[in-house]
Amino acid sequence: QKEVEQDPGPLSVPEGAIVSLNCTYSNSAFQYFMWYRQYSRKGPELLMYTYSSGNKEDGRFTAQVDKSSKYISLFIRDSQPSDSATYLCAMSFYSSASKIIFGSGTRLSIRP
Amino acid sequence: EAQVTQNPRYLITVTGKKLTVTCSQNMNHEYMSWYRQDPGLGLRQIYYSMNVEVTDKGDVPEGYKVSRKEKRNFPLILESPSPNQTSLYFCASNLGGTSLNEQFFGPGTRLTVL
Repeated sequence: QKEVEQDPGPLSVPEGAIVSLNCTYSNSAFQYFMWYRQYSRKGPELLMYTYSSGNKEDGRFTAQVDKSSKYISLFIRDSQPSDSATYLCAMSFYSSASKIIFGSGTRLSIRP
Repeated sequence: EAQVTQNPRYLITVTGKKLTVTCSQNMNHEYMSWYRQDPGLGLRQIYYSMNVEVTDKGDVPEGYKVSRKEKRNFPLILESPSPNQTSLYFCASNLGGTSLNEQFFGPGTRLTVL
């Protein structure tokens, strides 16, 4: 069993829809939960991270962590074609980001 | 401009021919890492370094070597490449400490081993 599971998609939604991306994990020791966006032929870029359980909002993006269920989510409101990318969840035991475990990524396409 | 650079961006080589992929960052970051990305497997960490002369294995270190003689550089060395090392490689750096926000990835190196 992988430590971090993520549905690979692809996921296709119309412009303006709310997108929900999810990951599950098996190791309850993870404390930091991250979401990255990766455009085609580019390196990943960190979107946001949360510590422990709870919600974090940044513009149209909201990250949620439910440690009791070992489940994390990323919501994208008012989705735009420019949001089309692969989204990677990731987790870390430490704040230093020295060791990060990634999900396999979900490919998202926003239809104009 | 803050950035992580990798060279080469594309490389086709043959089994057994030693190669080095360079990585350099201009942000004075302490932490640097190498990842490989394969379809369906996501990013897997090969090696990471917490500072000059301090390196440690990630999840898939077999067949790779690294060195950290200067803070800005973290080369990845494949002494005897094999076809199963065909992959997309990313170098990353971050400040360390509690600065998870300061993470940057390089543009990637696509390696094909024939």
